[in-house]
Amino acid sequence: TQLLEQSPQFLSIQEGENLTVYCNSSSVFSSLQWYRQEPGEGPVLLVTVVTGGEVKKLKRLTFQFGDARKDSSLHITAAQPGDTGLYLCAGATGANNLFFGTGTRLTVIP
Amino acid sequence: DTGVSQDPRHKITKRGQNVTFRCDPISEHNRLYWYRQTLGQGPEFLTYFQNEAQLEKSRLLSDRFSAERPKGSFSTLEIQRTEQGDSAMYLCASSLGFANTGELFFGEGSRLTVL
Repeated sequence: TQLLEQSPQFLSIQEGENLTVYCNSSSVFSSLQWYRQEPGEGPVLLVTVVTGGEVKKLKRLTFQFGDARKDSSLHITAAQPGDTGLYLCAGATGANNLFFGTGTRLTVIP
Repeated sequence: DTGVSQDPRHKITKRGQNVTFRCDPISEHNRLYWYRQTLGQGPEFLTYFQNEAQLEKSRLLSDRFSAERPKGSFSTLEIQRTEQGDSAMYLCASSLGFANTGELFFGEGSRLTVL
């Protein structure tokens, strides 16, 4: 059972366009992480957000943690083909578990 | 290479056979996770170790699945009496610390195909 639902599931855009990926849950998380995964590889951490309402920027990527710590968003400005991949949010509950979202597969067309 | 390594990378087996996957975490990492991932989906949490203690195993998919980390270093994931539905990528990850806000470092995974 996935606690975290991501939308959209698939996204195909032209180079230079902006996009937003959403990660939603009915559960409250102590922290939330975003990972990117490329084919044949394991996920790689992009960012961790801990405080409700927190916004973090990583070059063209902007991450926001919802005020209630139940949701998050990832916004990419001026997407590039190198941004292509599977984007995963992951929420921490309790002390031991880190649950991943359903994933958003992004394709940026040159 | 000092990253997380998994072995084998690919395993093809017949239904009913047992398979074992090995994970060698980053050497100083005390936390080790196992996940299962099917094509295009997010990783599904299976189990977690802190040092040699298995602190969460209720998410293991059935009693055919078991995991060990006998000396707090490498870990094994065994699937007994494999079924076609077990076909998936099995990912191992490790992290440092005592909270689950740390970065998880993933291996490249072990892909299982059950015929």
